[in-house]
Amino acid sequence: NAGVTQTPKFQVLKTGQSMTLQCAQDMNHEYMSWYRQDPGMGLRLIHYSVGAGITDQGEVPNGYNVSRSTTEDFPLRLLSAAPSQTSVYFCASSYSPSGGETQYFGPGTRLLVL
Amino acid sequence: KQEVTQIPAALSVPEGENLVLNCSFTDSAIYNLQWFRQDPGKGLTSLLLIQSSQREQTSGRLNASLDKSSGRSTLYIAASQPGDSATYLCAVRGIQGAQKLVFGQGTRLTINP
Repeated sequence: NAGVTQTPKFQVLKTGQSMTLQCAQDMNHEYMSWYRQDPGMGLRLIHYSVGAGITDQGEVPNGYNVSRSTTEDFPLRLLSAAPSQTSVYFCASSYSPSGGETQYFGPGTRLLVL
Repeated sequence: KQEVTQIPAALSVPEGENLVLNCSFTDSAIYNLQWFRQDPGKGLTSLLLIQSSQREQTSGRLNASLDKSSGRSTLYIAASQPGDSATYLCAVRGIQGAQKLVFGQGTRLTINP
């Protein structure tokens, strides 16, 4: 099992550009989520999904879109990048749709918006 | 609103010592609590998960306890090794808003050889 994989590892964007952060898991997990990690702010939930076709907003969803067409993939889209979106982004997954079990995290994507 | 605090923010100890990391949370209505380890530039690795009905969990040299009524958890590391150096994060899942983990800021641990 590869676990949770994320691409790219590092990305530089200019303000206003759009991009998609990829996340995939091969553990047949129903629950997937996206967090951002910022110094002094800790990790904060952006969006989550309890299964294919079902997504919901987390704590800081503005400026981000998600979709879940398959169990395996949960991409995060930045619509129009802003410097405030400079951060490290982590994707996580767990078996239970409630997210009440151990969560597995990907290696992260470092995003710099100029 | 749930808030999670970890004290101290950083800790440096000599190799071989036993140590305790602390985590406190403001709302005792939790589903579970999870301890993670994060190495520099890496993702989070789950260490221990304690359900709200449990008092402690053990894995190797690690032991995590949970006192839900007082809003506290501790992570005990026995016989520390330089390879234990990392940032340790605790996160709680509340009963309300159950899809979200609320993280503490972490304790940066350095084990000196």
